[in-house]
Amino acid sequence: EPEVTQTPSHQVTQMGQEVILRCVPISNHLYFYWYRQILGQKVEFLVSFYNNEISEKSEIFDDQFSVERPDGSNFTLKIRSTKLEDSAMYFCASSEGPPEAFFGQGTRLTVV
Amino acid sequence: AQKITQTQPGMFVQEKEAVTLDCTYDTSDQSYGLFWYKQPSSGEMIFLIYQGSYDEQNATEGRYSLNFQKARKSANLVISASQLGDSAMYFCAMRGRETSYDKVIFGPGTSLSVIP
Repeated sequence: EPEVTQTPSHQVTQMGQEVILRCVPISNHLYFYWYRQILGQKVEFLVSFYNNEISEKSEIFDDQFSVERPDGSNFTLKIRSTKLEDSAMYFCASSEGPPEAFFGQGTRLTVV
Repeated sequence: AQKITQTQPGMFVQEKEAVTLDCTYDTSDQSYGLFWYKQPSSGEMIFLIYQGSYDEQNATEGRYSLNFQKARKSANLVISASQLGDSAMYFCAMRGRETSYDKVIFGPGTSLSVIP
């Protein structure tokens, strides 16, 4: 069964460093998303991406964040100059069209 | 605005018993989708079941079924014959036209503990 794949499963980075979280969406899907979940808290929407551009972003998704689809299969989230409060589980999701959405297994980011 | 409510922060169930996890939602959309996800302690988000607002039958996937009551705006998850491996956080979520289908809104979650 096709699935959304995220790498790495766990990333540890020093405060101030840049990180890139990678996602391979399901191959025929057109809509891509990033969510995050701070430990013990709710899952929060970050950004949606369609037709090679951001379609919606939350107030969390500030200039520190960027997304890219560098080739036909990958979808990346870049966090510049990481802060301690960026430590969270980051989930990628993809969808062929509304309203279904499929999530990856997540990348646990720890900023030290 | 769309909103998901899960009133049970924590639930216990005896192994092999059935359990119902409550979910109510609020939306002005006519077309929307409802999801349940399981998040074990390892952190990954596992898709369990999906119900479309126009689906006439309640969704079922193995031991999981969704008790969809559209008029009451509820989408409770029923897990039959609970297993120890069912212990996890469970999130109810929805996606609809109100948010241009651009995002999935999650509820706060219910922590389920299965007791041997």
